Amino acid sequence: EPEVTQTPSHQVTQMGQEVILRCVPISNHLYFYWYRQILGQKVEFLVSFYNNEISEKSEIFDDQFSVERPDGSNFTLKIRSTKLEDSAMYFCASEPRQRGSTDTQYFGPGTRLTVL
Amino acid sequence: AQTVTQSQPEMSVQEAETVTLSCTYDTSESNYYLFWYKQPPSRQMILVIRQEAYKQQNATENRFSVNFQKAAKSFSLKISDSQLGDTAMYFCAFMTGETSGSRLTFGEGTQLTVNP
Repeated sequence: EPEVTQTPSHQVTQMGQEVILRCVPISNHLYFYWYRQILGQKVEFLVSFYNNEISEKSEIFDDQFSVERPDGSNFTLKIRSTKLEDSAMYFCASEPRQRGSTDTQYFGPGTRLTVL
Repeated sequence: AQTVTQSQPEMSVQEAETVTLSCTYDTSESNYYLFWYKQPPSRQMILVIRQEAYKQQNATENRFSVNFQKAAKSFSLKISDSQLGDTAMYFCAFMTGETSGSRLTFGEGTQLTVNP
């Protein structure tokens, strides 16, 4: 069964460094998402992406964050200058939805980001 | 804005017994979708069950079923014949039925422990 994959599984970085989290959504899915989960807290929406542009972003998704689909398979989340409070689990999700309908989001296994 | 509330931070159940997890939500929309996701210790987010708000019939997936009360904005998950592998954090989530990319709004989660 196809699944969303994410790399790396765990990333440790120094405060102020740039990180790129990578995701490979399920092929033929059209909508892509990033969520984060700070340890012990609920899962929070960051951004949604469709047709090579951002569809919606939350107040968390400030100028330090960016997303990109550099080729036909990868979907990346970049944090330009990491802060301690960026330490969290980051989940990528993809959705097969066709325009005019809605569908289910399937999640990857997550990347645990630790900022020191 | 939509909100999702799970009022039970922790629950436990004996193996083979039945347990019900509660979820309430608040929205002014009429077209939306509700989900239960499971997050085992691996922290992977796994879809358990999905309910469309326009459907009166409660969704069922094997041992998992929901009690969807639209007027009361309640969406509880019943797990029958609980198994040790059901031990996980369970998140209730809401999605609007809009055609553009729709965020999932999650509740705080309920930690379920199945005891042998």
